[in-house]
Amino acid sequence: QSVLTQPPSASGTPGQRVTISCSGSTSNIGPNPVNWYQQLPGTAPKLLIYSNNQRPSGVPDRFSGSKSGTSASLAISGLQSEDEADYYCATWDDRLNVWVFGGGTKVTVL
Amino acid sequence: EVQLVESGGGLVQPGGSLRLSCAASGFSFTSYWMHWVRQAPGKGLVWVSHINDDGSRTDYADSVKGRFTISRDNAKNTLYLQMNSLRAEDTALYFCARGLSQGSYWGQGILVTVSS
Repeated sequence: QSVLTQPPSASGTPGQRVTISCSGSTSNIGPNPVNWYQQLPGTAPKLLIYSNNQRPSGVPDRFSGSKSGTSASLAISGLQSEDEADYYCATWDDRLNVWVFGGGTKVTVL
Repeated sequence: EVQLVESGGGLVQPGGSLRLSCAASGFSFTSYWMHWVRQAPGKGLVWVSHINDDGSRTDYADSVKGRFTISRDNAKNTLYLQMNSLRAEDTALYFCARGLSQGSYWGQGILVTVSS
């Protein structure tokens, strides 16, 4: 059972917009910035979004992040086949003094 | 080019020990907190431990506290994870990561299998 809750799966057709939610609490997402990672099949995770909504250089602007209260979201607009991957949210938990990850969401392009 | 190369994994019996290493290059190692994150086969990412830039602060997940020790040698640009009293549930791919926020970069991981 992960401290951050994500839907296990999401899907869309090419060109569609897909949104992934990440639900936390007043000890983690509430006070702290959220990061998102993309893990393509058989590869290491890669930072996709940091500090709720910032994209590292090289990440397409099709990927966007947001946070409100104790929840965060990752949106993928203009879905492409190469976006098929697992996506994870993560943040620091002030009460547990650990980093916490969501359980991951598998995105499928139909 | 940033590189993080993990080593030291393998098959170990329950109750045994392993020491993982992560050799860093291509960046200023002393400027970053470093992390270990693991992923059991077919499962999600789980944070294990981190250490600050000069090694004076460490934190651990409850599941490994008292059994695992993170350390770093800034002269050798190397991160370590000493794993003792290993259990079957420690079986996972262990990733070394440079930070988890801005500038985060992950190694390719090293497999640890705990089995008799």
